[in-house]
Amino acid sequence: LAKTTQPISMDSYEGQEVNITCSHNNIATNDYITWYQQFPSQGPRFIIQGYKTKVTNEVASLFIPADRKSSTLSLPRVSLSDTAVYYCLVRGGADGLTFGKGTHLIIQP
Amino acid sequence: GAVVSQHPSRVICKSGTSVKIECRSLDFQATTMFWYRQFPKKSLMLMATSNEGSKATYEQGVEKDKFLINHASLTLSTLTVTSAHPEDSSFYICSARDPSGLTYEQYFGPGTRLTVT
Repeated sequence: LAKTTQPISMDSYEGQEVNITCSHNNIATNDYITWYQQFPSQGPRFIIQGYKTKVTNEVASLFIPADRKSSTLSLPRVSLSDTAVYYCLVRGGADGLTFGKGTHLIIQP
Repeated sequence: GAVVSQHPSRVICKSGTSVKIECRSLDFQATTMFWYRQFPKKSLMLMATSNEGSKATYEQGVEKDKFLINHASLTLSTLTVTSAHPEDSSFYICSARDPSGLTYEQYFGPGTRLTVT
């Protein structure tokens, strides 16, 4: 199972673009990269998933370089409500998920 | 998107009693559901995989006789914490995999806060 490394915490301000990078050097060929968001006392919420290059949806973009050993979650124009823990996961099959420590993102006014 | 519900959202029980937590997939059928536990300021830890119509698969270190899992239908899995003790107090979260998805995306429930007194 590929191990992920991401910053423990990040700070930013409202209206800024926030980029959270995750390292996954041992990613396997059939692994996808998935990001979840979790607020206190709530279950994780799916943000975005990708395999390679760039994926964009209504809330975020995910950038994956050609070697796939890292990925960057980009949150455009963050607001206070984006303060949460963000988890980067790498997985290939239908098994349960292994969560790392995540990145605690704090958005200030 | 797919919705997963949990009931109850929070429960307080006395030490030695049993508590049942329900996890339901509301708009899809889930042949596989997962149960996680999260302690304060910690990450989620996978406890077990619940398979419809068969026995659950437990992660190493999780007592199967203490955490009973039943997946009797394609939309319902239950976790029963038997003979609960204060150290079982935690946030229990379930997830379900939509088998129609192409990438095994999991959808999480809102969680159940268990406090054992």
